[in-house]
Amino acid sequence: DAGITQSPRHKVTETGTPVTLRCHQTENHRYMYWYRQDPGHGLRLIHYSYGVKDTDKGEVSDGYSVSRSKTEDFLLTLESATSSQTSVYFCAISADLRTVNTEAFFGQGTRLTVV
Amino acid sequence: GIQVEQSPPDLILQEGANSTLRCNFSDSVNNLQWFHQNPWGQLINLFYIPSGTKQNGRLSATTVATERYSLLYISSSQTTDSGVYFCAGGIQGAQKLVFGQGTRLTINP
Repeated sequence: DAGITQSPRHKVTETGTPVTLRCHQTENHRYMYWYRQDPGHGLRLIHYSYGVKDTDKGEVSDGYSVSRSKTEDFLLTLESATSSQTSVYFCAISADLRTVNTEAFFGQGTRLTVV
Repeated sequence: GIQVEQSPPDLILQEGANSTLRCNFSDSVNNLQWFHQNPWGQLINLFYIPSGTKQNGRLSATTVATERYSLLYISSSQTTDSGVYFCAGGIQGAQKLVFGQGTRLTINP
């Protein structure tokens, strides 16, 4: 199994509070991603990173920010959580484009509830 | 961006039956994967299959990139095959996977 650890695995927070989710990898992969999964929408990309300090937006980035100060860690921050951000969040990693296999692997997910 | 459509949305079968799940994409992709999401929510990699055919036990997959579709075959279904199957495609250079809505497979004993 790919070495991806998400923390926390479950969190309940109040509306308006900041929340940070962490993704840690031991594969030294260049690319890291944050997705959210909601009923009826499948998985949608929030933000992704293509290297240390290099990040870009996905299709549902509003209300989220990310940071990557080390290859192994990718943080997702909800600056002021809202109920619409209640979801299951998945981190994923994949190798550099220049490799033959760019298969993506997913973490276990973080269930976030905003009350 | 690319669109990914999966069919059927739901499939209910008896144990031992065979099934075919389909994934259509709106544009050329060269990074196509199939996943199984188990009842605990974990996403399990099934196939990385930008083109061609691969087999792994009772499962096999075929991607015809020029015709923009991929198929996942499950033979002799078992109750443990139940869950949601996702395909996801990406365009080389972007490495961002776009997911279909999934096919929910229920295998009854």
